[in-house]
Amino acid sequence: DSGVTQTPKHLITATGQRVTLRCSPRSGDLSVYWYQQSLDQGLQFLIQYYNGEERAKGNILERFSAQQFPDLHSELNLSSLELGDSALYFCASSVGASPIIYEQYFGPGTRLTVT
Amino acid sequence: SQELEQSPQSLIVQEGKNLTINCTSSKTLYGLYWYKQKYGEGLIFLMMLQKGGEEKSHEKITAKLDEKKQQSSLHITASQPSHAGIYLCGADLPYGGSQGNLIFGKGTKLSVKP
Repeated sequence: DSGVTQTPKHLITATGQRVTLRCSPRSGDLSVYWYQQSLDQGLQFLIQYYNGEERAKGNILERFSAQQFPDLHSELNLSSLELGDSALYFCASSVGASPIIYEQYFGPGTRLTVT
Repeated sequence: SQELEQSPQSLIVQEGKNLTINCTSSKTLYGLYWYKQKYGEGLIFLMMLQKGGEEKSHEKITAKLDEKKQQSSLHITASQPSHAGIYLCGADLPYGGSQGNLIFGKGTKLSVKP
C-alpha cells in the first residue's frame, strides 16, 4: 500500500458526460501527479500540482482539468468524454516538486470506461 | 515517436535465470526511474538513478545509468515468480529548458516460469 488513495476504483459512463476523479496523496506529500494509461499510448503524464499550484503540464487535453485543494487532495475533471478516454487514470504523490529528486508513489488507479 | 524505448517488449524466463531489461533515450536523461506494475494495478517504485555511471541495487534487482546518461539497464538475478510483472522506465526529458515533461517507456512484460 503506497499511502495514495484514489476514488472511485471503477467508473462507467457514457460519451459526452463529465466525471471527477479524486486523489488523496500520502501524508506529508505536497506534489500530486496525474497520469493516463492506455494499451496503445502507454503511461502518459497529464499534469502536476505542487502545494496547490500547477507546476507542470504534459499531454493533457483541453477537455480535462485538474486542481489541488488546500488540504492537498486533488481532483481530475474529464468532460465531453469520448470512447478514446477509456483508460486507467493514476495519481501519484511525492514530497517535493522536482520529479528527478523525489520519488513518486502511485495510487491504485481509477479505471474509466466510456461507452 | 516514443522518447524512451524499452527492450525487450516481453520476456519469458525460467525461474532462477538472470535477465536484463534496457531503456534507451535519444536525449540526455535528467533522472531515470524504474517501476514495476502488476497488470491493472498501480506502479511500485523500484529505483531512481540520477548520475551518469550510477548503480543501485535492491534485493536481487540492480539498475545502472550509463555514463552518457542515455541508457539504463535493469538486471534481475536468480529470477523468481514474484518478479513477474511489467517493468517501466520513466524519465524527465526537459523541453525548452522547462522540467516536468515526464516520459515513460511502453514497458517490458516479464513472465517467470516455475
